[in-house]
Amino acid sequence: ETGVTQTPRHLVMGMTNKKSLKCEQHLGHNAMYWYKQSAKKPLELMFVYNFKEQTENNSVPSRFSPECPNSSHLFLHLHTLQPEDSALYLCASSHGLAGYVDTQYFGPGTRLTVL
Amino acid sequence: AQSVTQPDIHITVSEGASLELRCNYSYGATPYLFWYVQSPGQGLQLLLKYFSGDTLVQGIKGFEAEFKRSQSSFNLRKPSVHWSDAAEYFCAVGAGSGGGADGLTFGKGTHLIIQP
Repeated sequence: ETGVTQTPRHLVMGMTNKKSLKCEQHLGHNAMYWYKQSAKKPLELMFVYNFKEQTENNSVPSRFSPECPNSSHLFLHLHTLQPEDSALYLCASSHGLAGYVDTQYFGPGTRLTVL
Repeated sequence: AQSVTQPDIHITVSEGASLELRCNYSYGATPYLFWYVQSPGQGLQLLLKYFSGDTLVQGIKGFEAEFKRSQSSFNLRKPSVHWSDAAEYFCAVGAGSGGGADGLTFGKGTHLIIQP
């Protein structure tokens, strides 16, 4: 595997379900990101991790819970979601070098549908 | 806070014609600027980026962009488009807080349609 991978690619869940999205980067990066892409809206940054520590939570509802066990893996745990949470969830990674805005490399995304 | 405006939601161009996609940003200091492309069902692929130095930057697939500080713009250009260039194009700005991992602020995107 190369680059940034995300599983599953598609997910349909009910509002009472609990599911998790997985992201893995094979680039040796230290920073990982979750973005939400909804129709007709700009990509929205959700969470940032750098060296496994959460450095940003962009006022995301608590029904979204991120986890970063190591610099290569990032999870997004989902529970009691709402239909408006249906979107494409994109994971990205970067080197995470201090004092520098590095290029972010994106995965293919997980298309989430909440019924 | 920074912001990005892509004024054109859709652009239609004939194959072989030239292309310019507009991007305006708002940020107090020197910005880090990016153009990404997204094909249907895919993630975002970096086309090019500007950090400093030469204001005309070259990217992949024959794209280039010019940073104009006086106009707060970073427009993307291609001299001759191909049918495979049909996609969604996103301009983004990074703030560079110094911590090393800053989220990007994206525009709403421009949907490029190529006419045969």
